[in-house]
Amino acid sequence: DAGVIQSPRHEVTEMGQEVTLRCKPISGHDYLFWYRQTMMRGLELLIYFNNNVPIDDSGMPEDRFSAKMPNASFSTLKIQPSEPRDSAVYFCASSLSTRDPDTQYFGPGTRLTVL
Amino acid sequence: GQQVMQIPQYQHVQEGEDFTTYCNSSTTLSNIQWYKQRPGGHPVFLIQLVKSGEVKKQKRLTFQFGEAKKNSSLHITATQTTDVGTYFCSYSGGSYIPTFGRGTSLIVHP
Repeated sequence: DAGVIQSPRHEVTEMGQEVTLRCKPISGHDYLFWYRQTMMRGLELLIYFNNNVPIDDSGMPEDRFSAKMPNASFSTLKIQPSEPRDSAVYFCASSLSTRDPDTQYFGPGTRLTVL
Repeated sequence: GQQVMQIPQYQHVQEGEDFTTYCNSSTTLSNIQWYKQRPGGHPVFLIQLVKSGEVKKQKRLTFQFGEAKKNSSLHITATQTTDVGTYFCSYSGGSYIPTFGRGTSLIVHP
């Protein structure tokens, strides 16, 4: 059974460019989470969805960040325009509410470097 | 909002020594989860504790949830180099917003 899939695994871009990170949750999972991890701030929840609907986006740093979940098997996190301080590892995670909503399965992450 | 303090931030041990990390909250937690993240990897779920005073074991790992459900610990007996990584506790508040502690990084010296 495939786990959470994220792409790309690494992204290097220049300041001002648009960055799109992609996530495919585990099939059947109804919760999807986007996290950002840095040494300074640890693992931060950015936004999460339930049944494709954004529930809480209070962790999204600013308007440059946006996330969508057009269907149950795909989500994107977009940064436009990107800035050097956005450099971090971005994780997507999913969980199944009917089984154990607090058990999250993480993808391998996207390491973003903004020059 | 609800906060958890995870200590210590770093722990160096010699291979074969024991290791313990603690997760402490100022308020009662409904449950708590523990994750392990290897260097360069992603967090991997280890276990969930729900009941007051609960103790669970996974081989050399022992997880405890305090009687008041305000603290939890992870104890590793006789550490091995494969135990290297960062151990996180996580909890969800009443509004189901998962929050992770800052983690304890375990360094095992052979």
